[in-house]
Amino acid sequence: AQTVTQSQPEMSVQEAETVTLSCTYDTSESDYYLFWYKQPPSRQMILVIRQEAYKQQNATENRFSVNFQKAAKSFSLKISDSQLGDAAMYFCAYRSSGGGADGLTFGKGTHLIIQP
Amino acid sequence: DTAVSQTPKYLVTQMGNDKSIKCEQNLGHDTMYWYKQDSKKFLKIMFSYNNKELIINETVPNRFSPKSPDKAHLNLHINSLELGDSAVYFCASSHLRLKTQYFGPGTRLLVL
Repeated sequence: AQTVTQSQPEMSVQEAETVTLSCTYDTSESDYYLFWYKQPPSRQMILVIRQEAYKQQNATENRFSVNFQKAAKSFSLKISDSQLGDAAMYFCAYRSSGGGADGLTFGKGTHLIIQP
Repeated sequence: DTAVSQTPKYLVTQMGNDKSIKCEQNLGHDTMYWYKQDSKKFLKIMFSYNNKELIINETVPNRFSPKSPDKAHLNLHINSLELGDSAVYFCASSHLRLKTQYFGPGTRLLVL
C-alpha cells in the first residue's frame, strides 16, 4: 500500500516570502499521479497543482511550483510571494495510474501560517 | 455553476439514527468518491464508484453504503450512527482516465 508523509505539521512564513512544504511517498509503482490540495478555513478542498510521474518537468501554476524527485520519492511544493490568502492546510496526495477507480492517499497535512 | 455539490452542509443527529448525505456533480465525470476527514484533519477514502465497479475501503463499517441513482449522483447512507462517525464527509468526482479529483464543499456530521 502507498503511504504519503508530510513531516511538517505547521509552517510559518512572512507575507511576500517563499516557503516550501515537504512531501515524501512510498510506492512500488512506476507510474502514478501526485497532487497538492489546499484547504482554507472554509474547508473546501482546492486543487493547487498536479504532477504525472512520467513527466520529468516540474509542474507550475502561477506562484506555485513543485520539486518532483522521483528517485527520492519526494514531491515538495514551493509557494512564491506568499499572500495572506495562502493561509490554509495543504495536503499532498498520491493516486495510482491504474485503470481502476482508486481513491487518493493523503498525507496528514501542513498548516501554513502567513505572517503579515 | 457549482461543480460538485453536497447536501446538507451540516448535519446534527442522535446516536442510532439513520441519515443520508447527497452528492451531485455537473462535470460529466464518470467516477465518484466519498472521503472522511477526522477531527485531526486526516482524509481517508471510503468508497470509489463508477458504473463498472465499487471499491470499498476495508476499514469502512458496513453501516455505510453508497447509493448511485445515476452517473451524476453518489449518495452516502449511514445506518445506526455512532459517536465516532462525527467527521466531515467529502464527495469528489473525476474522469476515470484523467485522475484529477474535484471535491464538494463537505458535510460536517455531528452525532450526539
